[in-house]
Amino acid sequence: SQQGEEDPQALSIQEGENATMNCSYKTSINNLQWYRQNSGRGLVHLILIRSNEREKHSGRLRVTLDTSKKSSSLLITASRAADTASYFCATFSQGGSEKLVFGKGTKLTVNP
Amino acid sequence: DAGITQSPRYKITETGRQVTLMCHQTWSHSYMFWYRQDLGHGLRLIYYSAAADITDKGEVPDGYVVSRSKTENFPLTLESATRSQTSVYFCASSEPRGLAAWGTTDTQYFGPGTRLTVL
Repeated sequence: SQQGEEDPQALSIQEGENATMNCSYKTSINNLQWYRQNSGRGLVHLILIRSNEREKHSGRLRVTLDTSKKSSSLLITASRAADTASYFCATFSQGGSEKLVFGKGTKLTVNP
Repeated sequence: DAGITQSPRYKITETGRQVTLMCHQTWSHSYMFWYRQDLGHGLRLIYYSAAADITDKGEVPDGYVVSRSKTENFPLTLESATRSQTSVYFCASSEPRGLAAWGTTDTQYFGPGTRLTVL
């Protein structure tokens, strides 16, 4: 069953603009991760935020986590054409589960 | 080459045939996973393995069989392929790095995928 749900499903922006993607989930989590998938490729881990963290940065990426609302956002600043990809959130639930549960993804297109 | 590899990258088969997808990782990660990715469903976990000779079902295990005799290999077998198993299959691996109880996994590293078509 899907845990994370990304919003929007698709996003198209111009190079240089910021892109924001949201993820909502249902159960309590240990951590939440964001992955990127370029067309025809495997997923690549971008960033992990733990349940006791509220914000995390990595280069042009900024992730926030609001456990009270069970939601997270991924912000990509100063986007580039190379950022064109699908972005997935994945949650790692509390309770000892060994599995990541992925959302359906947001398809981001950055137009040059 | 270091990393996680999958073979074949593309496979076309017929309904009823047995197909085995291979996954090999060079990191000696404890955990390995098989996912399928379909439009409208995202990634769904088929099977996973916590160590050699330890496997467990994921969300959609029916019609699939796995084994893990060696830490580095995690083959996925479709015993009698069906059209509904047409999909892109991804293998992933990870090493427990969490601070919580045994069995927690964090970052997963994905292979390039196998695109399987069942006619």
